[in-house]
Amino acid sequence: ETGVTQSPTHLIKTRGQQVTLRCSSQSGHNTVSWYQQALGQGPQFIFQYYREEENGRGNFPPRFSGLQFPNYSSELNVNALELDDSALYLCASSRGRGTSAQETQYFGPGTRLLVL
Amino acid sequence: RKEVEQDPGPFNVPEGATVAFNCTYSNSASQSFFWYRQDCRKEPKLLMSVYSSGNEDGRFTAQLNRASQYISLLIRDSKLSDSATYLCVVNPSLSGGYNKLIFGAGTRLAVHP
Repeated sequence: ETGVTQSPTHLIKTRGQQVTLRCSSQSGHNTVSWYQQALGQGPQFIFQYYREEENGRGNFPPRFSGLQFPNYSSELNVNALELDDSALYLCASSRGRGTSAQETQYFGPGTRLLVL
Repeated sequence: RKEVEQDPGPFNVPEGATVAFNCTYSNSASQSFFWYRQDCRKEPKLLMSVYSSGNEDGRFTAQLNRASQYISLLIRDSKLSDSATYLCVVNPSLSGGYNKLIFGAGTRLAVHP
């Protein structure tokens, strides 16, 4: 196991609602990245948090937002849910924000979100 | 054009077979390269990093060709437990100062008895 945990494991919401997903990083890791994986696709980068600040963002609208806490755990918030937001949401923790080219990201088990 | 492209498969092979997966990437400034394995309904797990000189880990061999922007993974003596989706992953650049992984859509492998 990677030591990265996520909650909840599954979630069903309706269009227009808001959702908060949670991630606890591996001990000693100060960086958390969030990814969205639609069915049949590879994960897509949403954003990264390093020491409580957003450190980079992918091509996702502002209704996707996040937080990182002093213990380096993190939240992903999605407002105004759309049907296309149905996906597996993965968080990954790493020791640093990527100044080393070989920094390894360790993934949590994911939260499966279904929007009806 | 997708940033990382893979043949989606599926590759159906018998136990003991040798199978090769290929991947191309579009950003020539990419810094680091990986193969991840993802079992059905599970998270991706790092299989191996890929180095310019090529590297081997047991039955698995990874190759990188920077000039052609091409990455490969060779699995020898396939086992039933190798059945999974194999994701080609690229870290495009350090210029943004963050560690963003770009994933291909994955290649499915099914090993049968």
